[in-house]
Amino acid sequence: GQQLNQSPQSMFIQEGEDVSMNCTSSSIFNTWLWYKQDPGEGPVLLIALYKAGELTSNGRLTAQFGITRKDSFLNISASIPSDVGIYFCAGQPASRDDKIIFGKGTRLHILP
Amino acid sequence: IAGITQAPTSQILAAGRRMTLRCTQDMRHNAMYWYRQDLGLGLRLIHYSNTAGTTGKGEVPDGYSVSRANTDDFPLTLASAVPSQTSVYFCASSRDGGNIQYFGAGTRLSVL
Repeated sequence: GQQLNQSPQSMFIQEGEDVSMNCTSSSIFNTWLWYKQDPGEGPVLLIALYKAGELTSNGRLTAQFGITRKDSFLNISASIPSDVGIYFCAGQPASRDDKIIFGKGTRLHILP
Repeated sequence: IAGITQAPTSQILAAGRRMTLRCTQDMRHNAMYWYRQDLGLGLRLIHYSNTAGTTGKGEVPDGYSVSRANTDDFPLTLASAVPSQTSVYFCASSRDGGNIQYFGAGTRLSVL
């Protein structure tokens, strides 16, 4: 079946650093979504992208829908302790009428 | 407050016992989903329902069953629990199958 390859699997950074993570697939997607999961909670939507090349920001977060429609990127600027958590990409494949599929997540750790 | 409610929050269960995880949403979303989350494997779809009265199998349906008698409720049943079903279970809903999914807070299940 279709898969999303999300990388890196985990990151250890210093507070104040910028963070980049990405999601790639061999298939074309119509929609890309980025979620964050805080410890002990369910995933919460951060950013939704609907068009190739689209660049969208939400505070210190910026995400892009790749021009090839096969990838997406999430950047976090000037990280703070509350950014700790698991970040999931998700997308709706162009070949399917429904059901979003999820990447395996990027676990972000922030060192004091 | 509108959203998804899962119950119980956590449960310890003896192997071989039957267990139903409850999920209720008040957003009048058509589609609902059950995922399990295991370390390193991300979110894996167990079963889904595109609309009341219909259900479908996801990536890991074995050992689980669901029903969708109405729009709001989507219970997940483990007929005879096994230790490999120890996991965190998340219920989600979306307006339609390909749209943004909203997640509950999860049920942490331990099968001993």
